[in-house]
Amino acid sequence: DAKTTQPPSMDCAEGRAANLPCNHSTISGNEYVYWYRQIHSQGPQYIIHGLKNNETNEMASLIITEDRKSSTLILPHATLRDTAVYYCIVRIDTNAGKSTFGDGTTLTVKP
Amino acid sequence: DAGVTQSPTHLIKTRGQHVTLRCSPISGHKSVSWYQQVLGQGPQFIFQYYEKEERGRGNFPDRFSARQFPNYSSELNVNALLLGDSALYLCASTWGPTGSNYGYTFGSGTRLTVV
Repeated sequence: DAKTTQPPSMDCAEGRAANLPCNHSTISGNEYVYWYRQIHSQGPQYIIHGLKNNETNEMASLIITEDRKSSTLILPHATLRDTAVYYCIVRIDTNAGKSTFGDGTTLTVKP
Repeated sequence: DAGVTQSPTHLIKTRGQHVTLRCSPISGHKSVSWYQQVLGQGPQFIFQYYEKEERGRGNFPDRFSARQFPNYSSELNVNALLLGDSALYLCASTWGPTGSNYGYTFGSGTRLTVV
C-alpha cells in the first residue's frame, strides 16, 4: 500500500465545511483512496472511497486531484459529532482488509 | 441487524499468559480481519480470513494466531503475552474476499491490558 501523509490535527467551526487533506504521492494506478474515521472508544467507520473521480455520499465528498497524488475529504456541514480521528488509506481493492492505518488527523469541531 | 460483535469488551491478563479474543461478523459476511491498535496510533493489520482460509498476515510474531469457523466467526489467539501486547484489538468484516465497494465494518474492539 502506498504511504499517506496527513496533518496531525485540525479544528473546524460547527456548521462550517471541514476539509481534510491527504498526500499519497506514490499511489499506483490501481490503488484506491479510502477514508475512515474513529470516534473515541469505537472501531473505525468507513466513510467513502474513490479511484479517480470525485465521489459523494450522504456522509462526505472526496476530491482526488487529477494526478491522484493527493485528496481531500470534505464534511460539508461539520457537527460536534464529527469530532474524531480521520484516516486516509491507499490500497489495491483486492487487498481490502489488509490495510495498516497511519496516525490520521484528529478533527475537533468547535461550537 | 447486529453489527460486528466482539467479546470480551475488556480483559486484563498477566505477562506470559494466553488470551483468546472472539469476533462475530455481520450476518452474510464471510471475511474477517483483525487489527491491533496501540494507544495513540492507527490500527495495524494482523490477519485476514475468508471462507476459513488465511488470506493475509501482517508483521506480527508467531505468538499471534487466528482461525475462522464454519459460521464465519473468528478467534484471535495470543500466546506468551508481553506488556507491549496491551492494545485495542479490532475485528472487521465484509461480505467477500476483497471488501469491494463498501469497505469493512469494524466492531468496537476488545481492550486488552497486560500487567
